[in-house]
Amino acid sequence: NAGVTQTPKFQVLKTGQSMTLQCAQDMNHEYMSWYRQDPGMGLRLIHYSVGAGITDQGEVPNGYNVSRSTTEDFPLRLLSAAPSQTSVYFCASRRVRDSYEQYFGPGTRLTVT
Amino acid sequence: ILNVEQSPQSLHVQEGDSTNFTCSFPSSNFYALHWYRWETAKSPEALFVMTLNGDEKKKGRISATLNTKEGYSYLYIKGSQPEDSATYLCASYTGTASKLTFGTGTRLQVTL
Repeated sequence: NAGVTQTPKFQVLKTGQSMTLQCAQDMNHEYMSWYRQDPGMGLRLIHYSVGAGITDQGEVPNGYNVSRSTTEDFPLRLLSAAPSQTSVYFCASRRVRDSYEQYFGPGTRLTVT
Repeated sequence: ILNVEQSPQSLHVQEGDSTNFTCSFPSSNFYALHWYRWETAKSPEALFVMTLNGDEKKKGRISATLNTKEGYSYLYIKGSQPEDSATYLCASYTGTASKLTFGTGTRLQVTL
C-alpha cells in the first residue's frame, strides 16, 4: 500500500491564483481530512469527509473548497490564493468504525506571494 | 478547558534523562485521545490511541496514561535518546468522532 499520498510537495502561487492540492489513499478509509500547519498554531482542521459524497467544514474552512467523488480521493481547492494561505498542508485518512488512528500524507508546502 | 492544550511548549534534556509531557483536553463528551510523534520535515506518526479512563499504553521506552474524568493525559519517555527528538502532539475527538482537535505540541530536544 502507498498509504496517503499528496501532490505536489511544493508549490508557489501568486495572490489570486487558484490551484488544487491532491490527496489520495489506497487503504479504503472512509474518513479523510485536510489540515494546515502554521508556526505556533499546531494542526488546524480545514475540511473533512466521512465518505464519498459527504464533506463538512473544520475550524478554518474559509478560502478552501473540497469534494469527495470517490473513496480514494479528497482534493483541496484554493479558489483565490492569499498570502495568509502560505502554510504546510497535510491530508489524513482513517477508518470510521474499526480504528481512530489517523494516517498522514507527506505534506504540501505552499507559498503564496 | 475548551481546547486541547499541551505543556511544556518545549523541553531540552540530556541523553538518558526520563521526561514527561502533559496534554489537557475537554473532559465532557470524550471520545478518544491520540498521541503523535512528528519529526521535522516528515508527517506525524501515530503513537497511541486511547479511549478508556485509566488506560495505559506502552511502546518501547514511551508510555502514556489517560484520565478522561479530569481531562488529561501524560506521555512518558524513559531514558531519552537523541532519536527521540521530535515534536509530540496530542489530539482529542471531543463531542463528535469527526473532528480531531490538535494541541500545539511539545518540542523535545535530546542532546548527548
